[in-house]
Amino acid sequence: NAGVTQTPKFQVLKTGQSMTLQCAQDMNHEYMSWYRQDPGMGLRLIHYSVGAGITDQGEVPNGYNVSRSTTEDFPLRLLSAAPSQTSVYFCASSRPGQGLPYGYTFGSGTRLTVV
Amino acid sequence: QQQVKQSPQSLIVQKGGISIINCAYENTAFDYFPWYQQFPGKGPALLIAIRPDVSEKKEGRFTISFNKSAKQFSLHIMDSQPGDSATYFCAASSSSGTYKYIFGTGTRLKVLA
Repeated sequence: NAGVTQTPKFQVLKTGQSMTLQCAQDMNHEYMSWYRQDPGMGLRLIHYSVGAGITDQGEVPNGYNVSRSTTEDFPLRLLSAAPSQTSVYFCASSRPGQGLPYGYTFGSGTRLTVV
Repeated sequence: QQQVKQSPQSLIVQKGGISIINCAYENTAFDYFPWYQQFPGKGPALLIAIRPDVSEKKEGRFTISFNKSAKQFSLHIMDSQPGDSATYFCAASSSSGTYKYIFGTGTRLKVLA
């Protein structure tokens, strides 16, 4: 059971480049989210999805796009990288039960540097 | 309304001591309060969680205390060990919405041997 798999683990981009951060889970979880982690700011929600075909914005969505064509995959696209997007990105998934939220399972993160 | 305020930002405890981390929330619709533990270079991992129908939950050396009227909850680590040195995040979520998590800003705990 792999859990939540994120690729790549490290990436350096030049300003203006685009790229896709991959996230896949094999736990049949409905809910998936992308967070970014910056020093002193905790985990901030970028985008989330409550199921295939359904996505919505979080706290800091500008400069990022997502799609959810399958239950398993939830890629995060950086449209035109900026130095302010230098961060550690985490993907997480969860399957609420009986109408209640449950704990998220996090991936191991992607450390992105934009120069 | 959506904030979760966490304190302290950092904490140093002697081995065997009690570590206490506090969180406060504003949104009364929150009804799920997990704590996550994160080691350097790793993703956060669920440590323990509580729902507001109980005031305390204990799992081994880790205890969550919950005060619904004050809108506060805290993590207590009893008999703290050097292996507990990590960053701890509190979070809150609501079952009457999209189950989004709002995280606190984190507490870096260092347990001295």
